[in-house]
Amino acid sequence: EAQVTQNPRYLITVTGKKLTVTCSQNMNHEYMSWYRQDPGLGLRQIYYSMNVEVTDKGDVPEGYKVSRKEKRNFPLILESPSPNQTSLYFCASRGGWAANTEAFFGQGTRLTVV
Amino acid sequence: QKEVEQNSGPLSVPEGAIASLNCTYSDRGSQSFFWYRQYSGKSPELIMFIYSNGDKEDGRFTAQLNKASQYVSLLIRDSQPSDSATYLCAVNMGGANSKLTFGKGITLSVRP
Repeated sequence: EAQVTQNPRYLITVTGKKLTVTCSQNMNHEYMSWYRQDPGLGLRQIYYSMNVEVTDKGDVPEGYKVSRKEKRNFPLILESPSPNQTSLYFCASRGGWAANTEAFFGQGTRLTVV
Repeated sequence: QKEVEQNSGPLSVPEGAIASLNCTYSDRGSQSFFWYRQYSGKSPELIMFIYSNGDKEDGRFTAQLNKASQYVSLLIRDSQPSDSATYLCAVNMGGANSKLTFGKGITLSVRP
């Protein structure tokens, strides 16, 4: 089954404790991205990757890091989480960067930073 | 700032009615337009995409695009309670990033 898998689904952590949210897709997609979704603000892109070893900032990259060492994986790293990073996070992949390619989303990770 | 705007909700319609969801975008160079449905606590899932002016129909769903007016809409005919969800409009404005920019979404409630 074609899918984007995120882990964990739920995470409660304390301020300053480094964490990683994993994302893996089995569709051989080149383009992957991370979004956060907050009430009243919608989905906002954090980082994106157009291929292995190619990553760039989205609209709200502060406080986040990513890496793309393999095509299928695109982890999101929070080196020192803060309460304002409490949010619902989605990983998404696309078959390419052509304008008409749709995005497939992971199940989401609900992160709470206390 | 390139923006995607969705008319404020929530929207409530009776079962069997037509629900009309609207979206405007600021960048005239936008190339592709997507409608996603998101149930509470779930991930967005694609309903339709459109990139040519006019209408595109898929079952009970019709997407309408008017590039001159920078307007895209989604019509849901014969609305069902199972259509109750948040609907997200997304626009690909092209460019090197080829980023999908999302509207804030509109919540639809279909009353039995």
